[in-house]
Amino acid sequence: DIQMTQSPSSLSASVGDRVTITCQASQDISNYLNWYQQKPGKAPKLLIYDASNLETGVPSRFSGSGSGTVFTFTISSLQPEDLATYYCQQYDNLLSFGGGTKVEIK
Amino acid sequence: QVTLRESGPALVKPTQTLTLTCTFSGFSLSSRGMSVSWIRQPPGKALEWLARIDWNDDKYYTTSLRTRLTISKDTSKNQVVLTMTNMDPVDTATYYCARVLGVRELRPRMDVWGQGTTVTVSS
Repeated sequence: DIQMTQSPSSLSASVGDRVTITCQASQDISNYLNWYQQKPGKAPKLLIYDASNLETGVPSRFSGSGSGTVFTFTISSLQPEDLATYYCQQYDNLLSFGGGTKVEIK
Repeated sequence: QVTLRESGPALVKPTQTLTLTCTFSGFSLSSRGMSVSWIRQPPGKALEWLARIDWNDDKYYTTSLRTRLTISKDTSKNQVVLTMTNMDPVDTATYYCARVLGVRELRPRMDVWGQGTTVTVSS
């Protein structure tokens, strides 16, 4: 099974800050990676697919990059409504999620 | 508009079998390329993918729970059913179903999710 490791597990940043989350796969997964946002008490929402493609309707401050084993998710200018937990998810072999990164607003 | 809604018992006893139903609208599971997945989330923990069923009735399961899970579909009712046998308190979680796009391109992504249903396992 492919293990997905996210870091950090949590972070606190100010409105307007640039936020970066890293996801590392236990083996090469090419760009077979999606990113989801889960707001408190809500279902997850797809933000980024195929490592770098922005889902329709998602604000452009969200972006993703990477291939192979290391991937990055970035919020270019943090907004109050971005308070959430973010998950990476691979689909190279079946499907598995990272442990999540909780983003808090200072 | 695509919607999915999970339903099932809120409480099950240890060793019992859990049956969850995902009722959806806005798409058809008989259409090529369409799929539905089940995902769960224990309280305060990360998401865990459980199973997927495709338009052509192909089925996939997470390795760790493969022997306990069965996924099926009723295309005429727009429903996907997940059963999980031998329930244990560690199976307490919110269970979600989600539509999956991109399966034919081998690039699946879960683009619409249900609101989730909470299942507690306790005697």
